[in-house]
Amino acid sequence: AQSVSQHNHHVILSEAASLELGCNYSYGGTVNLFWYVQYPGQHLQLLLKYFSGDPLVKGIKGFEAEFIKSKFSFNLRKPSVQWSDTAEYFCAVKKGTYKYIFGTGTRLKVLA
Amino acid sequence: DVKVTQSSRYLVKRTGEKVFLECVQDMDHENMFWYRQDPGLGLRLIYFSYDVKMKEKGDIPEGYSVSREKKERFSLILESASTNQTSMYLCASSRGVSSGREFNEQFFGPGTRLTVL
Repeated sequence: AQSVSQHNHHVILSEAASLELGCNYSYGGTVNLFWYVQYPGQHLQLLLKYFSGDPLVKGIKGFEAEFIKSKFSFNLRKPSVQWSDTAEYFCAVKKGTYKYIFGTGTRLKVLA
Repeated sequence: DVKVTQSSRYLVKRTGEKVFLECVQDMDHENMFWYRQDPGLGLRLIYFSYDVKMKEKGDIPEGYSVSREKKERFSLILESASTNQTSMYLCASSRGVSSGREFNEQFFGPGTRLTVL
């Protein structure tokens, strides 16, 4: 079945630690890739997106992600997390005209 | 500032009731979506609409219906609410395909947490 996998369900880090959240998808062909973040009590908002070109994508708040086509991966990274990065992170793939498939999410807790 | 609004943040209903969840977007987006969000399951698509009066089933349409009479408004209807429909419901919108792949992201509303007793 077509899917988006987020390997880490819960991640706990101390402030200033580096972050990498994994995302793999099982579609071939052309895809659009997204990372969304949901801060506690807030709505989902876009962190970054890839649609073509440079596979290293920079987003808001110091986040970046790398699209590796051969590995069907789109991992999210941040060199130094802050307490305010505590949130749930969702990877999503747009395949075709209307279909968006979301991963199950990763809950990140950053300890001050 | 782009906006997707949902009629209620919290809703409590009884089993068997008909429930209406409303979503309005002010971005003139062609596409609108309804998801439910459950812990450990991520977001699952219930229905989407790519134009007024057009609708398509998503992955979990059973027990739900939708209505889109105006471009800016997309309603989710639970015909007869059941306890297994207790969940967070998220509405989203996005530009149409003619806008190009660089404008494909979805914009989400704040969600409606529905409890069915």
